[in-house]
Order: sequence, then structure tokens, then C-alpha cells
Amino acid sequence: EAQVTQNPRYLITVTGKKLTVTCSQNMNHEYMSWYRQDPGLGLRQIYYSMNVEVTDKGDVPEGYKVSRKEKRNFPLILESPSPNQTSLYFCASSLTYGTGYTFGSGTRLTVV
Amino acid sequence: KQEVTQIPAALSVPEGENLVLNCSFTDSAIYNLQWFRQDPGKGLTSLLLIQSSQREQTSGRLNASLDKSSGRSTLYIAASQPGDSATYLCAAHPMDSNYQLIWGAGTKLIIKP
Repeated sequence: EAQVTQNPRYLITVTGKKLTVTCSQNMNHEYMSWYRQDPGLGLRQIYYSMNVEVTDKGDVPEGYKVSRKEKRNFPLILESPSPNQTSLYFCASSLTYGTGYTFGSGTRLTVV
Repeated sequence: KQEVTQIPAALSVPEGENLVLNCSFTDSAIYNLQWFRQDPGKGLTSLLLIQSSQREQTSGRLNASLDKSSGRSTLYIAASQPGDSATYLCAAHPMDSNYQLIWGAGTKLIIKP
């Protein structure tokens, strides 16, 4: 089944403890992206990647890192999480520019 | 800068009714417009994708239209069911966006049995 897989689905962590949210797609898509969704603010793009080894900042990149060493994987790294990074995170992929997007099931992160 | 608006913010209708959700965008220079469904606290499920060259797309009881000249897209749901209750989001892919989607705030739909 063609899909975007995020792990974990739920995560509670403490301030300052590094964490990684994984994202993997099995559709050979070139483009991958991370979004966060917050009440009243909607979906905001954190980082995106147009292909392997090519990444760029979205609207809210502060406090996050990404890497794209393989086409299928696009992990989101929080080096020192803070409570304001408590949010619902989505990974998305697209075959190429101008095609539709497939989203993962989301990761609900709580930082205490 | 592209802005996407969805009206109404919430809608409650009895089961069985046909309904229309609206999405408007300010800049007609888009590659496509995509409709998504989101259940509470859950992921985003793609419903329909309309390319800029298309006027409409259909999937089962859903029909989405696109009118670039007026900056509008509609999602028509026929014979609504309680299982259709969810938040519906539209997202435009502008031509100058560098892959970023511009999102509406969503319409929360409740179908009453």
C-alpha cells in the first residue's frame, strides 16, 4: 500500500531531551515536507526537501533540523525541545512539483 | 501573497442532505487545489486533487470544482452520512510557492443522524 509512515504516533518528552520523529514513504516521491498544526494557526511548513541532500526552510524552521540522506526517509530532529514545540506534526510527500500530496497519520508531541 | 479562505467555519446538517463547502483563493496562478479530510486528532486524508487545467473531479459521493477566474473551489457532498463528520481543508499550490501549500482554516462538518 502506498503510504507515508510516521513514528511515533504519540510522544511525551521533557524539555531539552533530543528526539527524532521518523518519516518514510514507499512511493519513490521526490518531494517531502514537514508541517505542524496548532489550534488557531492552522498548518505551517517547517522544512521541505526537493530531493536527496536538498533541504530548505519553511515558515517555522526554528528549533528543528532535518536530513534527506535517502529518498524514502525524511526525519525531523528536535535537538532541544521546548514546550512551545508541543504540536501535531505531519510529514507529507509528493511525486514532483505540481502533483498532489500524501500525508502521514501525524505525530502528537507533548513537551513538558 | 496567496490567501485561502473557507466559509463557513462550521456546518451542521441532517443526514441525507446534499451540501457544499466553499474554498476561495486570492491568486489564480496555482498548479492545483487539493481537498483533505481530517478527523479529530488524526491525519490528513486526501479526497480530491484538481489540476489547474481541470474544472472538476469526482470520487464517489464527492465532487470538487475549480473556477480559477473567480478564485473559487467547491466540494459537493451528496447524500451526507454521519461518517462524513470531520473537518474539511482545502489547500492551494501556488506557482511561486517553492512546493509550499497554502491552507484554508477548514470547515468543521457535523452530520446529524
